Amino acid sequence: SAVISQKPSRDICQRGTSLTIQCQVDSQVTMMFWYRQQPGQSLTLIATANQGSEATYESGFVIDKFPISRPNLTFSTLTVSNMSPEDSSIYLCSVVTPSYEQYFGPGTRLTVT
Amino acid sequence: AQSVAQPEDQVNVAEGNPLTVKCTYSVSGNPYLFWYVQYPNRGLQFLLKYITGDNLVKGSYGFEAEFNKSQTSFHLKKPSALVSDSALYFCAVSHSGNTGKLIFGQGTTLQVKP
Repeated sequence: SAVISQKPSRDICQRGTSLTIQCQVDSQVTMMFWYRQQPGQSLTLIATANQGSEATYESGFVIDKFPISRPNLTFSTLTVSNMSPEDSSIYLCSVVTPSYEQYFGPGTRLTVT
Repeated sequence: AQSVAQPEDQVNVAEGNPLTVKCTYSVSGNPYLFWYVQYPNRGLQFLLKYITGDNLVKGSYGFEAEFNKSQTSFHLKKPSALVSDSALYFCAVSHSGNTGKLIFGQGTTLQVKP
């Protein structure tokens, strides 16, 4: 398994501002992922954070809105830019182990007012 | 396009009775299938996976799931439900390329009553 921590655990932000979410893993992993869980909804993949290269984004998500950094094999950040109330969600990072199990961080609960 | 369907928004079962949470999938190639559980205000916890091999896979907390290729299903089961099993359950699929990208079903709320 993998132990994943996220900061902050929750935040309340004003419209138009940006928030950077940090994800730390206790072991080196090749791929990290960022998901969004909107209120009462399932999880949707935002992007894959690759170490040493640009993140790859899923349809409907763009780099200008959700810039991602992956400076090393244990850490990644996701920024939610120019926030609107529609960005209120839980943001989760995840990693895949060599045995194909995907583990998730505890999530960051974001409320935009 | 790949997709996962969980046809029941909620499943109600009495404690001690067997439970089944249904999941069907559509994916090109060989599927990698997963079940996760989410307790209120807590993160997503991995329960079990099917990659290859035996169609019946066993996971955490006494849960098991049966892979049925002909019916493209991966139903979650437990022989005897506990009140503490009450939570939100997600089925997810990744295709055999295993990029790690998971597609999640909409989730099924399991309510176990004493």
